[in-house]
Amino acid sequence: AQSVAQPEDQVNVAEGNPLTVKCTYSVSGNPYLFWYVQYPNRGLQFLLKYITGDNLVKGSYGFEAEFNKSQTSFHLKKPSALVSDSALYFCAVRDFFSGNTPLVFGKGTRLSVIA
Amino acid sequence: DAEITQSPRHKITETGRQVTLACHQTWNHNNMFWYRQDLGHGLRLIHYSYGVQDTNKGEVSDGYSVSRSNTEDLPLTLESAASSQTSVYFCASSEGRGAETQYFGPGTRLLVL
Repeated sequence: AQSVAQPEDQVNVAEGNPLTVKCTYSVSGNPYLFWYVQYPNRGLQFLLKYITGDNLVKGSYGFEAEFNKSQTSFHLKKPSALVSDSALYFCAVRDFFSGNTPLVFGKGTRLSVIA
Repeated sequence: DAEITQSPRHKITETGRQVTLACHQTWNHNNMFWYRQDLGHGLRLIHYSYGVQDTNKGEVSDGYSVSRSNTEDLPLTLESAASSQTSVYFCASSEGRGAETQYFGPGTRLLVL
């Protein structure tokens, strides 16, 4: 079975400071990992994904995520937060060996960037 | 541009009524999914389809049904709406297998009174 956990319901950060949104996963084999962002009253927008290769993945809007196999983590990061980054962030996973099963999502982390 | 649309965007209905939420994608994706989003639960999978005439149950399928008669559409039906089905519903689609990204529609906010 595959699962993903986002241990923080809420993350607050000052504008200009670096931000981290945490995600840990559990799969039987190798993971495909995704980050999505949801702005108020909108659908989920794809940010980035890890498939294989370089552990540091770069995505949209200056976000990046670091895959750490030993810690089974895929934390989302940004060097300098903007107020406009305030949103709900979802981590998702699919096990490589599960074929075409749907993504499994975490419960989401609300990011608030304070000016 | 290819897109995924949902209708209606907002719906109010009464307990016991049948409700159908529409999802239409123009990417020609084989895979389509329905999720519901609730506070404290994140996104939970209701039903999904890997192609025409294929449907599969997800984590929270009780009280819901889907049918796939063409590639573009996957309507979600609430057979007899219950207050517990008040939620925001999202449709998504993807192509192929494995690492393919799922793309989401804008959502339908459903209130069951």
